[in-house]
Amino acid sequence: QVQLQESGPGLVKPSGTLSLTCSVSDFSNSNYFWSWIRQPPGKGLEWIGFIYYSGSTNYNPSLKSRVTMSVDTSKNQFSLRLSSVTAADTAVYYCAREGLDGSHSSYFDYWGQGTLVTVSS
Amino acid sequence: DIQMTQSPSSLSASVGDRVTITCRASQSINNYLNWYQQKPGKAPKLLIYATSSLQSGVPSRFSGSGSGTDFTLTISSLQPEDFATYHCQQSYGAPRTFGQGTKLEIK
Repeated sequence: QVQLQESGPGLVKPSGTLSLTCSVSDFSNSNYFWSWIRQPPGKGLEWIGFIYYSGSTNYNPSLKSRVTMSVDTSKNQFSLRLSSVTAADTAVYYCAREGLDGSHSSYFDYWGQGTLVTVSS
Repeated sequence: DIQMTQSPSSLSASVGDRVTITCRASQSINNYLNWYQQKPGKAPKLLIYATSSLQSGVPSRFSGSGSGTDFTLTISSLQPEDFATYHCQQSYGAPRTFGQGTKLEIK
């Protein structure tokens, strides 16, 4: 059973940078992508991007210019930075593991509990 | 981006009912379609992956089918704990995209 836990400020000022960290109980297997997904209040889920244990990344083009992800395997953590935030970035942010099976299918099989980040002055 | 469209957006049903939720992709995604259940204030939970594979621990009343662009999630006999929001998601390509969700409510 893998556990993920988000941490970071719950309030960010407009034009500031949102920074979150996800702590993972088991980072040992390399067959996973470590992802960030967000959900504005009352709305659907939006994939922000993922990072592989090696540090390679894939970001949603809609956010790519503002997103940076990093990984620290020694601490079993990966992080998200989202710059130039506006009220539209207010959302519950989830970290999740994207697992792969033998048929090249992938899916988000483990999720953090989520953390609400509000952008407001 | 691959657009995912779920129908209906909301659904009222009773305990014991058979329910079907549909998800349509804007292009073929082979069988790379996943379903999640989300309860208020909680993270989504994986129910079905690769169109029809049941995630470990998920009750067998949940099933999935489809291929190409059209997919369905079926709950054979609704239980009280099944009232939640259901999301489909494609893993055919990046960016990963989700449907808008289907809220299943008690009639």
